[in-house]
Amino acid sequence: EAAVTQSPRNKVAVTGGKVTLSCNQTNNHNNMYWYRQDTGHGLRLIHYSYGAGSTEKGDIPDGYKASRPSQENFSLILELATPSQTSVYFCASGDVLSQNTLYFGAGTRLSVL
Amino acid sequence: GEQVEQLPSILRVQEGSSASINCTYENSASNYFPWYKQEPGENPKLIIDIRSNMERKQTQGLIVLLDKKAKRFSLHITDTQPGDSAMYFCAARGSALGRLHFGAGTQLIVIP
Repeated sequence: EAAVTQSPRNKVAVTGGKVTLSCNQTNNHNNMYWYRQDTGHGLRLIHYSYGAGSTEKGDIPDGYKASRPSQENFSLILELATPSQTSVYFCASGDVLSQNTLYFGAGTRLSVL
Repeated sequence: GEQVEQLPSILRVQEGSSASINCTYENSASNYFPWYKQEPGENPKLIIDIRSNMERKQTQGLIVLLDKKAKRFSLHITDTQPGDSAMYFCAARGSALGRLHFGAGTQLIVIP
């Protein structure tokens, strides 16, 4: 099964601080995604990438940046964290090789105080 | 972008009965409709999907129906068991390859 690893698993940040969430996948998938999960909203797409060097805005990109330095790694960056960004963040990978199935990481629980 | 509506948000059923979750989408070009199951504290995992060239698909107690005319698709779980208790998400993919739009989720509770 596809392996997607997120770090950290839990993070407490202060308002105005910088937060970086990391994601690594070992299955050579071209596409990677960052979602946040909030009660009542399901999974909302923040940023995604079609390959190394590419990042695209998803449905709720404001306040977030993304970086895809390699096929394996995709980071989500909160330059100035706000309490409204308290959420559970999921990274996922997938492409035609996986029959378009998304493989999710275990999630990162972020609290911004 | 695509909007996917999912109902109900909470569904309580007796063990052994069936459960149904319904989703609607807006983009008539959407062509791929997966369902993900998320157990407490876990990540979402694909359980079944259907493509736009099909109207029905069944696997291991799960049935998915797709009505393209009504832009509606549904998940039916037959003979529910306590292990079916989880959050379920429907999703639709429009024209962008691999970019899924998820519904808000349904919390299924199977009562023993």
